[in-house]
Amino acid sequence: DTGVSQDPRHKITKRGQNVTFRCDPISEHNRLYWYRQTLGQGPEFLTYFQNEAQLEKSRLLSDRFSAERPKGSFSTLEIQRTEQGDSAMYLCASSPLFRAGFTGELFFGEGSRLTVL
Amino acid sequence: AQTVTQSQPEMSVQEAETVTLSCTYDTSESDYYLFWYKQPPSRQMILVIRQEAYKQQNATENRFSVNFQKAAKSFSLKISDSQLGDAAMYFCAYRSGGGGADGLTFGKGTHLIIQP
Repeated sequence: DTGVSQDPRHKITKRGQNVTFRCDPISEHNRLYWYRQTLGQGPEFLTYFQNEAQLEKSRLLSDRFSAERPKGSFSTLEIQRTEQGDSAMYLCASSPLFRAGFTGELFFGEGSRLTVL
Repeated sequence: AQTVTQSQPEMSVQEAETVTLSCTYDTSESDYYLFWYKQPPSRQMILVIRQEAYKQQNATENRFSVNFQKAAKSFSLKISDSQLGDAAMYFCAYRSGGGGADGLTFGKGTHLIIQP
C-alpha cells in the first residue's frame, strides 16, 4: 500500500461552483478524518468516519459541506456554492482501530488545495 | 476540550546546531498521545516522533528527541545537528488515549528555518 492518496491535488474554482475531493485511505484503516488547513495555521478537524459511518462533525462543517464514505473505503468531501473563505488545504488522514500495537498516529495524504476566485 | 499551544511562530538555527521547539497542552485526561509532525513546503505531513503519556522515558528518534513534562503539560522537541532538510513547519499534536476515535488536535505550528 502506498499510503493515503488525495485527488485532485489542486482545484481552482469560481465562487458559487461546487467542488468534490476524494480520499483513498490506507486499505486496512477503518477510521478516516478530514481536516482543513489555512495558510500559516495548524489543521482543524472537520469530520471523521469509522468504516462507512460518519461519527462526528465539527461546527466548521457548514451545511454547504458534505462528506461520504460509501462502503467504508474511499471518502469524498463536497463543498457546494463555494465561497472565497473556503480557500484552504483539505487534508485527509486515516488510522486503524485500537488494538495491540496501536500507536495513535494519523497517516496523512498530501492534501487537496482549493482556491476560490 | 483539549488545546495545544506553540508559542514560537518561527525559529531559525544554523546548520549543524541544536534547536528546541516548544509546545504546551491543556487536558484533563491522564491517558493520551503526543506527536510532533513535520510539514515541508507543499509536501504531506509526516510523523517525526510520538510519546505515550504513560511512559516516563522521553522518546528519541535519531537526531530528534522530546522533553515530556507531564505535570507541566509541556512537550518540547529538540533537533540536534540540524540539517537543511529539517526546514519545515512543525506541528505539535495531541490525541486522546484509550483507543478513542478522536483525531488529532494541533497547535498553530512553528516555522523552522535552517541557515546554511
